Amino acid sequence: NAGVMQNPRHLVRRRGQEARLRCSPMKGHSHVYWYRQLPEEGLKFMVYLQKENIIDESGMPKERFSAEFPKEGPSILRIQQVVRGDSAAYFCASSPSAGYQNTEAFFGQGTRLTVV
Amino acid sequence: AQSVTQLGSHVSVSEGALVLLRCNYSSSVPPYLFWYVQYPNQGLQLLLKYTTGATLVKGINGFEAEFKKSETSFHLTKPSAHMSDAAEYFCAVTGFQKLVFGTGTRLLVSP
Repeated sequence: NAGVMQNPRHLVRRRGQEARLRCSPMKGHSHVYWYRQLPEEGLKFMVYLQKENIIDESGMPKERFSAEFPKEGPSILRIQQVVRGDSAAYFCASSPSAGYQNTEAFFGQGTRLTVV
Repeated sequence: AQSVTQLGSHVSVSEGALVLLRCNYSSSVPPYLFWYVQYPNQGLQLLLKYTTGATLVKGINGFEAEFKKSETSFHLTKPSAHMSDAAEYFCAVTGFQKLVFGTGTRLLVSP
């Protein structure tokens, strides 16, 4: 059973370009979480999605950022018109159901975005 | 709201010495608490978690943590450090349908 797959592992974008980060959850997992890790900081929650639904986007910047988890295919985190401050590691996690008592959220290896 | 404070951004120990990584939490509801480990350029791996029941939780790689409600703490310990334990460790508490992480503690192990 493959783990959570994120691609690309490394992404370089020029200021003003778009960045698309993909996350394929573990088989059977219908809940996806995105986190951002800035240098010397912990992981900050961005968004929680279930298939075709955004459940909690309280951590998403109001502009330029969007996320989706379609019925078919991976979850996508999209950053439009990237700026240098968007440079960070973006991690995706998936779980088979909501809540953390009886389920574990499995993390991918992350996408490291560098904006030049 | 839930929050986590990890005391000490860096902890250095000698190989074979006791490892103690500190975590204090704040939660308005009974918390679920987690410790994750991150190796360089890798994702996070769950070490252990506390949900309910026994307050001393044993995890992988010889780590354990004790939930102390009176002290709002969930410190991570290992009796004897190994070089392979060098990594970044994150404490987390459940918020509403998400994990709230501390800022992490980097563990350095010297020979």
